[in-house]
Amino acid sequence: GNSVTQMEGPVTLSEEAFLTINCTYTATGYPSLFWYVQYPGEGLQLLLKATKADDKGSNKGFEATYRKETTSFHLEKGSVQVSDSAVYFCALRKLSGTSYGKLTFGQGTILTVHP
Amino acid sequence: GAVVSQHPSWVICKSGTSVKIECRSLDFQATTMFWYRQFPKQSLMLMATSNEGSKATYEQGVEKDKFLINHASLTLSTLTVTSAHPEDSSFYICSASPAGRYTDTQYFGPGTRLTVL
Repeated sequence: GNSVTQMEGPVTLSEEAFLTINCTYTATGYPSLFWYVQYPGEGLQLLLKATKADDKGSNKGFEATYRKETTSFHLEKGSVQVSDSAVYFCALRKLSGTSYGKLTFGQGTILTVHP
Repeated sequence: GAVVSQHPSWVICKSGTSVKIECRSLDFQATTMFWYRQFPKQSLMLMATSNEGSKATYEQGVEKDKFLINHASLTLSTLTVTSAHPEDSSFYICSASPAGRYTDTQYFGPGTRLTVL
């Protein structure tokens, strides 16, 4: 079946540090890949997505590139801010006969950014 | 726009009682709603998919008689945990897909923390 593996957290960084959160997946065919962010007390929000190999999703300074050869979708940001402190989830979606819109999530990575 | 609310945000109940959790799309109509369960430090696990006006589709291993899902309107879905036990304590999250949009667009509620004593 489909699965997503994220690097374990928590991740603690100083402001303006470089961020990488690793994400690898297992799936047949060509899944779409997503990063969601959950700020304290709020629901998950879509951060970025990529729907085919070599696509790069980007939003709010975050980027992730769909790498089919390494089955990866690592999240990066060049300079993090305190406001980026949140839980980040990698996810995939693959259409099948009975799985319309079904998302498979990684376990989430807690990011804390200190001033 | 695209706000999903859940009520209550947290609930404590006694073992053996039933608890209802509501999921509402506040500013859009949702053809499809999803219910997830999240254990501490673990990922969200899809429990079931509900389409307005039809029976929910449950994931393998989820007891449909224990977790009753009703999607009676395009803005409301409910999850009822029947005869709750301490092992049902968890964080329950819903999401909704707008009508007429491909279901890779999901808007998530803030979650409901259930504690069964």
